[in-house]
Amino acid sequence: KAGVTQTPRYLIKTRGQQVTLSCSPISGHRSVSWYQQTPGQGLQFLFEYFSETQRNKGNFPGRFSGRQFSNSRSEMNVSTLELGDSALYLCASSLALLPGQGNSYEQYFGPGTRLTVT
Amino acid sequence: AQSVTQPDIHITVSEGASLELRCNYSYGATPYLFWYVQSPGQGLQLLLKYFSGDTLVQGIKGFEAEFKRSQSSFNLRKPSVHWSDAAEYFCAAQGEYGNKLVFGAGTILRVKS
Repeated sequence: KAGVTQTPRYLIKTRGQQVTLSCSPISGHRSVSWYQQTPGQGLQFLFEYFSETQRNKGNFPGRFSGRQFSNSRSEMNVSTLELGDSALYLCASSLALLPGQGNSYEQYFGPGTRLTVT
Repeated sequence: AQSVTQPDIHITVSEGASLELRCNYSYGATPYLFWYVQSPGQGLQLLLKYFSGDTLVQGIKGFEAEFKRSQSSFNLRKPSVHWSDAAEYFCAAQGEYGNKLVFGAGTILRVKS
């Protein structure tokens, strides 16, 4: 089974621009979560999408947004980029059954997209 | 607030020696617990998980972890470290509902020959 894929792997943008990152989950997984990893703040949860609905959101400004498509693929968008947005953005997928439906909650991560803002 | 603490930023062990990486959590109820490993420039690979039941869980690559409720800990162990184990290790916790993982700051493992 193919793993989680993320595109692009590397991206260089200028302050003020916007960027869209893409994530394709493992086949059959309906949940996609996004995380930001920086040397200073570590790994931080951005948001989770399940069946095209945002189910949970981390403490990030509104410039960070996402969506999920009917095939479970997800995109995240960052508008008005700032230097501090430079990070590794990781996507994770999970079966993430609804409460009471099972216990398969582990998340599998993609290789990440390295975003550099100059 | 929910938090995960990894007290050791760096650990250096000799190849063939045993390893223990510490992890403590602070949650309202017992969370689901995970250990991930990250090699430079790579994503996170799941080593093992604890949901409930047996407090000693086995993972991939010869790793195991022990859940101790009384100490709010979930320490990762390996009896004999290989040079290829050098990487950064993250402990993470997740509540009962939803998929938000809270990560520790990570422990960088160096293996000396």
